[in-house]
Amino acid sequence: AQSVTQPDIHITVSEGASLELRCNYSYGATPYLFWYVQSPGQGLQLLLKYFSGDTLVQGIKGFEAEFKRSQSSFNLRKPSVHWSDAAEYFCAVADNYGQNFVFGPGTRLSVLP
Amino acid sequence: NAGVTQTPKFRVLKTGQSMTLLCAQDMNHEYMYWYRQDPGMGLRLIHYSVGEGTTAKGEVPDGYNVSRLKKQNFLLGLESAAPSQTSVYFCASRGWSTGREKLFFGSGTQLSVL
Repeated sequence: AQSVTQPDIHITVSEGASLELRCNYSYGATPYLFWYVQSPGQGLQLLLKYFSGDTLVQGIKGFEAEFKRSQSSFNLRKPSVHWSDAAEYFCAVADNYGQNFVFGPGTRLSVLP
Repeated sequence: NAGVTQTPKFRVLKTGQSMTLLCAQDMNHEYMYWYRQDPGMGLRLIHYSVGEGTTAKGEVPDGYNVSRLKKQNFLLGLESAAPSQTSVYFCASRGWSTGREKLFFGSGTQLSVL
């Protein structure tokens, strides 16, 4: 069965600084990988996903993520954080059929003015 | 402690029929969500609730209605099912566990509309 870890419970960055959120997964085959964001009072919004192909994936809101098979990682990055990016971020892995989602515990992002 | 329970697990409808999916959580969570999951799409939010008696629209609310009359239950209704609503539906609640806030998901409902 697949699993996901997000080592950082809470990260604080200054507005305009760069951001990297870590995600490590465990899955026997090539996984389907996702990053979601949840703003206060909202549901999950899909930022980006990786199914196959180019290992650097571009998403919405200026986010990108890189799939590194050798490290079993799918870290989320943004070159310049905006105050509106303060939210909770979830990494998820699914099986080859895009089903059986397993979500990481989430990383809360705070942004300082 | 059952967590989040969805019923039914499977259902087949004919176009135009109605049905209600039930989500129940016993963790006293305020926030509850309904998602649909389609191949290649990830999860998409249908409706959500931030507490008893409240509901709000998500990304794809059309064709669905919800109710949160009791804190522990969040119902998703399809008044007139369409083939485009064939999907896997997930309910989730959000709350604290082992020192951090987490999402708790039900096991899903496979719905086919013929």
